[in-house]
Amino acid sequence: ETGVTQTPRHLVMGMTNKKSLKCEQHLGHNAMYWYKQSAKKPLELMFVYNFKEQTENNSVPSRFSPECPNSSHLFLHLHTLQPEDSALYLCASSQDHQDGYTFGSGTRLTVV
Amino acid sequence: GQNIDQPTEMTATEGAIVQINCTYQTSGFNGLFWYQQHAGEAPTFLSYNVLDGLEEKGRFSSFLSRSKGYSYLLLKELQMKDSASYLCAVRSGGYQKVTFGTGTKLQVIP
Repeated sequence: ETGVTQTPRHLVMGMTNKKSLKCEQHLGHNAMYWYKQSAKKPLELMFVYNFKEQTENNSVPSRFSPECPNSSHLFLHLHTLQPEDSALYLCASSQDHQDGYTFGSGTRLTVV
Repeated sequence: GQNIDQPTEMTATEGAIVQINCTYQTSGFNGLFWYQQHAGEAPTFLSYNVLDGLEEKGRFSSFLSRSKGYSYLLLKELQMKDSASYLCAVRSGGYQKVTFGTGTKLQVIP
């Protein structure tokens, strides 16, 4: 596989559920990101990891919990979400923050 | 804070040229990106400008004026497949902070 792979592509979860989103990159990049994309809103940066260390948390509620076990994998753990958290969650990677990002196809999350 | 403005929608004819503008207000400017996003798909990287001037890449060109806080994306010889949203994004205040505009939805018509 090449590029940035996200699973699952679609997820429907109740407000009391716990689920995780997975992102894997095969590009040898050392930075990974989580972005949220809601309808008619700009992409919102959530978290940044550089060499597996979290370097940015953009005031994200604690019901979103990221994990980066190594520089190729990134997870977003979800628990007790709200309906307004329904959105497209995009993972991206880059080399040294100086190049353009390579995005995954995203996970379309619906909270019911 | 940051403010990035781009038109919400544009329509252009197949074979024509279209210019999508982006204005921004930020401190610690560190570069400007353009991405293309087709409906239901991930954004894909188009261009990156950090110095003033025009960067040409095939049918697509991107221009930056840092003093004016202004950029544009120029698409030539439009094709139907160019119908997509075009996202302007600004990096500032450190390499890791990239802020996106709301995007310009371009419709190419025959």
